Amino acid sequence: GQQVMQIPQYQHVQEGEDFTTYCNSSTTLSNIQWYKQRPGGHPVFLIQLVKSGEVKKQKRLTFQFGEAKKNSSLHITATQTTDVGTYFCAIPGTASKLTFGTGTRLQVTL
Amino acid sequence: SAVISQKPSRDICQRGTSLTIQCQVDSQVTMMFWYRQQPGQSLTLIATANQGSEATYESGFVIDKFPISRPNLTFSTLTVSNMSPEDSSIYLCSVRTVSYEQYFGPGTRLTVT
Repeated sequence: GQQVMQIPQYQHVQEGEDFTTYCNSSTTLSNIQWYKQRPGGHPVFLIQLVKSGEVKKQKRLTFQFGEAKKNSSLHITATQTTDVGTYFCAIPGTASKLTFGTGTRLQVTL
Repeated sequence: SAVISQKPSRDICQRGTSLTIQCQVDSQVTMMFWYRQQPGQSLTLIATANQGSEATYESGFVIDKFPISRPNLTFSTLTVSNMSPEDSSIYLCSVRTVSYEQYFGPGTRLTVT
C-alpha cells in the first residue's frame, strides 16, 4: 500500500516559536488532507489540498502542496498552547479510503 | 459537516467477552468507516461499513472478529468479539462527506482485562 511518512514524530516548542510538519508520499497524490487531534480528542478535519503548488492559509496555519504532488507541509506561525496536539496528513487510497500519516505530536510550553 | 455520537464512550471488559459499539450520525451519509487507534499511534482503518451489504474489511481484520452492521444511512455498529488484551484501543467511527472531508466520532476507549 501507499506509504505516508511524517516528520518529525515529535516537536517541543516554546510559545511564540514556529512549527512545521512535513508529509511525504511515495506516489503522486490526487489530493492531501490535514487533521488535528487534541490530547484525548478525536481527529478534526483542517483542510484539503488539491492543486500542485497550492498554498492555503487558516489564520496562523499555512498548508502547502508540493509541485510534484508528493509532499505537503503544515506550518504554524507563533505557536500558542492551543496548538498542542497531533497533526496528521491523510492521503486517498483505493476506493477513496484515507491512509493516515504517522502524525507529528506538537507540545507547546510557555 | 456531520455530528457523530458513539456509545459507549469507554468500557472495561473481560477477555473472551464481546462489546458492541454504536455510531449515530445526524444526517444521511453514504460512506462510513471504523478505525482503531492505539495510544500515541496513527489511525488504522478496520473496515468500510456498507449500507445494505457486508462491510469491506482491510487486511488484518476479519468479519468474525469485528462484525459490522449498517442498517441505514445514519447508523452503524462495530462488535469486538472474543476480546483479548491486544484489543485494548480507541475505536472511532467516521463518515465522509460529498466533499471528501472526514468527520470522526468522539471514540470508544476499550480496555480488556
